[in-house]
Amino acid sequence: DTGVSQNPRHKITKRGQNVTFRCDPISEHNRLYWYRQTLGQGPEFLTYFQNEAQLEKSRLLSDRFSAERPKGSFSTLEIQRTEQGDSAMYLCASSIQGAPTEAFFGQGTRLTVV
Amino acid sequence: GDSVTQMEGPVTLSEEAFLTINCTYTATGYPSLFWYVQYPGEGLQLLLKATKADDKGSNKGFEATYRKETTSFHLEKGSVQVSDSAVYFCVPYTAGGSYIPTFGRGTSLIVHP
Repeated sequence: DTGVSQNPRHKITKRGQNVTFRCDPISEHNRLYWYRQTLGQGPEFLTYFQNEAQLEKSRLLSDRFSAERPKGSFSTLEIQRTEQGDSAMYLCASSIQGAPTEAFFGQGTRLTVV
Repeated sequence: GDSVTQMEGPVTLSEEAFLTINCTYTATGYPSLFWYVQYPGEGLQLLLKATKADDKGSNKGFEATYRKETTSFHLEKGSVQVSDSAVYFCVPYTAGGSYIPTFGRGTSLIVHP
């Protein structure tokens, strides 16, 4: 297994467009997390899944953001009607439920809204 | 809820200096503790962890001992290198319920040659 994979690595989009990011977690991990990170800040939690169920969403996650994990494997994060404030690094992480085990992070998708 | 307090950065050191990054935590349960590191332009990765009191985690010359009596998990390294320049995050884990790894701003370390 090559770890958590995120695509694309970089995305430049015009304001108002929709974007979708993909995350492929480590195969046996049933928990998957999405975070957003801006310069000089730590990762901010957006949402997480246990298998295919989305169990929690941050108040940071506006109605323009939606995430899915349809078969409990890969996940997508969609941002509709992007705004310049959405520019950030979007990180995905996965872990195993129920153990004091760490989260494994992908390299992230850097979004720039122009 | 669980939280950590990390010293603010940036921490600026010369190569071969001794490093301490303080981390104190509050937890409603009995936590495990992790240090993550983010090198410039890279993703987050686990540096070391401790799963019970007095556990010592170590990796790449870094050490941290989980002290229940002082609720601390300070990160130390005896002799830093330029390649250690990164942002370091202390993250508690508490079993049960919906665990979400929660990150603060981290502590930026800059090592000069």
